[in-house]
Amino acid sequence: EVELLESGGGLVQPGGSLRLSCAASGFTFNNYAMIWVRRAPGKGLEWVSAIIGSGHATFYAASVQGRFTISRDNSKNTLYLQMHDLGADDTAVYYCAKYGGYALTYYYYGLDVWGPGTTVTVSS
Amino acid sequence: DIQMTQSPSSLSASVGDRVTITCRASQSITTSVNWYQEKPGKAPSLLIYAASNLQPGVPSRFSGSGSGTDFSFTISGLQPEDFATYYCHQTYNIPWTFGQGTRVEVK
Repeated sequence: EVELLESGGGLVQPGGSLRLSCAASGFTFNNYAMIWVRRAPGKGLEWVSAIIGSGHATFYAASVQGRFTISRDNSKNTLYLQMHDLGADDTAVYYCAKYGGYALTYYYYGLDVWGPGTTVTVSS
Repeated sequence: DIQMTQSPSSLSASVGDRVTITCRASQSITTSVNWYQEKPGKAPSLLIYAASNLQPGVPSRFSGSGSGTDFSFTISGLQPEDFATYYCHQTYNIPWTFGQGTRVEVK
C-alpha cells in the first residue's frame, strides 16, 4: 500500500527551528518528486516546497525561501523539511505529498498521495 | 505568480444535486489543473488531474473540464460523503498555487 507518514511537528517558540520528516512506503521513492503543502488555521492550502526525484533540484514558495530547506534521503525513503526562524504565520498543518512525476517540468500530474499531516504551532 | 480565482467560496446543496465549481487562472495554464477534496481532520485527496482526468478509484460522478484560463469541476448527483471543501491547483508554473477553496454544505 502506498503510504506517507509525517512526523516532527510540535510547539516551537518564535524564531525557533524544527525539522519535519515524511516516511514513504509502497512505491519507488526516487522516481517521484515530493512536495510539502501546508494549511494554516482557517485558511486554504499553500504550496511550500518541492524536490525532484534525484534531490538535485529544489523549489520554494517566497514565504519560506531562505528559511526552509527541503531534502530527501532516497536510501531511507524519507523526505525532510528543515525550518528555521519560524514565525506565527508558519503555524499550520504540514502535509507531505507525492507528485505523479519525477520532475516538475511535466506539469500534467497531481498530488496523488498525501500523508495525514503534522501540526506545527509557533507560539511563545 | 499565477492566481487561481475559485468560486463560489461556499455553496449549499442537497443530496442528488448537480454542483459546479469554477476556477479562473490569471494566465493561460493549458490543462495543468487538478482538483482535490478535503474533509475536516483529513488530508486532501486528488479527484481530477490535468483538468479532466479522473484519478483511479474516484467515483465517476466527479468530472472536470476546461483549458487555458477557465476550468470547472462538477459533481453529478451529490452524495452524503461529498460534503467537503474542494480546491483547484495549478502545476503549470512555480510557485504552484491553489484556489481559495469551495465549501460544499448541506442545504
